Order: sequence, then C-alpha cells, then structure tokens
Amino acid sequence: SYEVTQPHSVSVALGQTATITCGGKNIGSKNVHWYQRKPGQAPVLIIYRDSNRPSGIPERFSGSNSGNTATLIISRAQVGDEADYYCQVWDSSTGVFGGGTDLTVL
Amino acid sequence: QVQLQQSGPGLVKPSQTLSLTCAISGDSVSSNSAAWSWIRQSPSRGLEWLGRTYYRSNWYNDYAISMKSRIAINPDTSKNQFSLQLNSVTPEDTALYYCARGLVATGNALDYWGQGTLVTVS
Repeated sequence: SYEVTQPHSVSVALGQTATITCGGKNIGSKNVHWYQRKPGQAPVLIIYRDSNRPSGIPERFSGSNSGNTATLIISRAQVGDEADYYCQVWDSSTGVFGGGTDLTVL
Repeated sequence: QVQLQQSGPGLVKPSQTLSLTCAISGDSVSSNSAAWSWIRQSPSRGLEWLGRTYYRSNWYNDYAISMKSRIAINPDTSKNQFSLQLNSVTPEDTALYYCARGLVATGNALDYWGQGTLVTVS
C-alpha cells in the first residue's frame, strides 16, 4: 500500500517561513491535500490539489508538489499557526494520510 | 453552507459493534460530485482514513484494507445521512471519529468535517 512520510516536528521562528514536507513514491503524480488540526478541533482543509487554497485560507499558506516530495509552506509564521499538519493523497481509491507534523512557532 | 452532524455512543464494549451516524445539511448524500468518508484520529496512529460511500448512478464503497473485513459504510437517502459500522471492536479502536465530505472538483479533498465523536472501547 502507498505510504507518505512527514517529519514528526518542525520549528519556526515567529515571522519566518516554515516548510513541511510530505514524501512518497512519485507523489508528484498525485493530488496532495493538506489539513491543519488544532487541539480540540476538527481538521481544516488548507491546501487542495497541491497548491490551491480554499476560501478563507490566508495567502501565507502555499503548496507545491513535484517528484517524490510535496511541500507545505507557511510564510510569516504566527503563533496561531501552531498545530498538527497532515498531508493526504488518494491511491487506488483509498485515502492515505501522512503521520502528521507538529509545528512549533518559537 | 455544508454541515455534518455526528451522533452515536461514546462507549462500546469489546467485541461489539461501533455505530455512528453523520447527518448532512447543505448537500446531498446522493450527490454525483461528492463522496462521504469516515476518518479516525488516535495518538498512536494519527489520522486514519477508514472508508467512504458515494453515488455515481449506483452506490459504491471504498474501504481501507486494514478495515475491510469488519467495516460497513451505508447511505440513508431518506434522512440524508450516512453511517459507520465497525464490528468486533477492540481497545485499539478507541479513537476520535470524524465524518467528512470529499468533492470531486477539489480532487476529493475533505473540505467539510463533522465535529468528531470520541469512542472508547472498554
């Protein structure tokens, strides 16, 4: 079965740029979606189809996908961005989530 | 505005069946452009997709391989909702369960989620 790999944790200084990766075999050929999950809340879709933002998601959130790595970029990181971030793909009609990345804003 | 409202017991005994329901407003379970998933979250396994149901002239289901032998996801068109049944539960099935909508137009990204139901198997 298909697997996607994320770093367990990422730290970023306040106001700087955070980069969270999602690795998988030839993931560039798949649509990658990103979700933000804060404690006590349901996950929120922040990027769909690699680089598209749903309505209401700040432009500070962006994404890319090529080769074996998809990337979520959070510019001008804020304390409110502290959360778990998950990438997700579909493989043979099966949903696959990455293990999640805990983002800390220092 | 799409809303998903989950209901069901928070405590299930081992070997019994976990049953949850997700009521949909603002969309239709019979939509040809949506699919309706169940996902769970636990500290040990993170987010885990369990399965989905969708209508494309006929009803279809997709299930996670790890769940296939004991899961059923069914639509209820009369109530515009869908349900999850997980048989023969063990303490490993203790988790926060979510329902969610996937839209074809967004590559089946899960754009609306239910509020979550904490289910304890004990």
